[in-house]
Amino acid sequence: EPEVTQTPSHQVTQMGQEVILRCVPISNHLYFYWYRQILGQKVEFLVSFYNNEISEKSEIFDDQFSVERPDGSNFTLKIRSTKLEDSAMYFCASSEAFPRGFYEQYFGPGTRLTVT
Amino acid sequence: GDSVTQMEGPVTLSEEAFLTINCTYTATGYPSLFWYVQYPGEGLQLLLKATKADDKGSNKGFEATYRKETTSFHLEKGSVQVSDSAVYFCALSPSLGGGSNYKLTFGKGTLLTVNP
Repeated sequence: EPEVTQTPSHQVTQMGQEVILRCVPISNHLYFYWYRQILGQKVEFLVSFYNNEISEKSEIFDDQFSVERPDGSNFTLKIRSTKLEDSAMYFCASSEAFPRGFYEQYFGPGTRLTVT
Repeated sequence: GDSVTQMEGPVTLSEEAFLTINCTYTATGYPSLFWYVQYPGEGLQLLLKATKADDKGSNKGFEATYRKETTSFHLEKGSVQVSDSAVYFCALSPSLGGGSNYKLTFGKGTLLTVNP
């Protein structure tokens, strides 16, 4: 069964460093998402991406964050200068696009980011 | 804005016990409601869904009914198994419209442990 994959599973970085989290969505999917979950808190939406541009972003997704689909398979989340409060589990998801109707978002296993 | 509140847990049950995990929501209009499950080391998987009031979603013995009058979507299972041990997330998305895929708003998740 097709699945969303994410690498690395765990990333440790120092405050102020740049990190890139990588995701490979399901191959025929057109919508891509990033969510995060700070330990003990809710899973929060960060950004959605369609047709090579951001379609929606949350207040969390400030100028320190960017997303990119550099080739036909990868979808990346970059944090330019990490802060301690960026420590969280980051989930990538993808979905097909139905003009009217139900869609399902398929999630990857997550990348745990630890900022020290 | 939209929000989801679910029973935080952890919940510990013996095999064959009855399970209820409460979920209530706040949203405008007629959101779609979901339960996602996360098994250890894996991504979030859609367990069941309901897209309009009084719909009952069901899968793998789990059920939840969309109750608009009480803004609830409680998850139930009549007889849990050890293999049901996981984290369960209640989520919503805004009313489906033409041409858009919407972000999910999640609850905090409930850890369920089922003992033999």
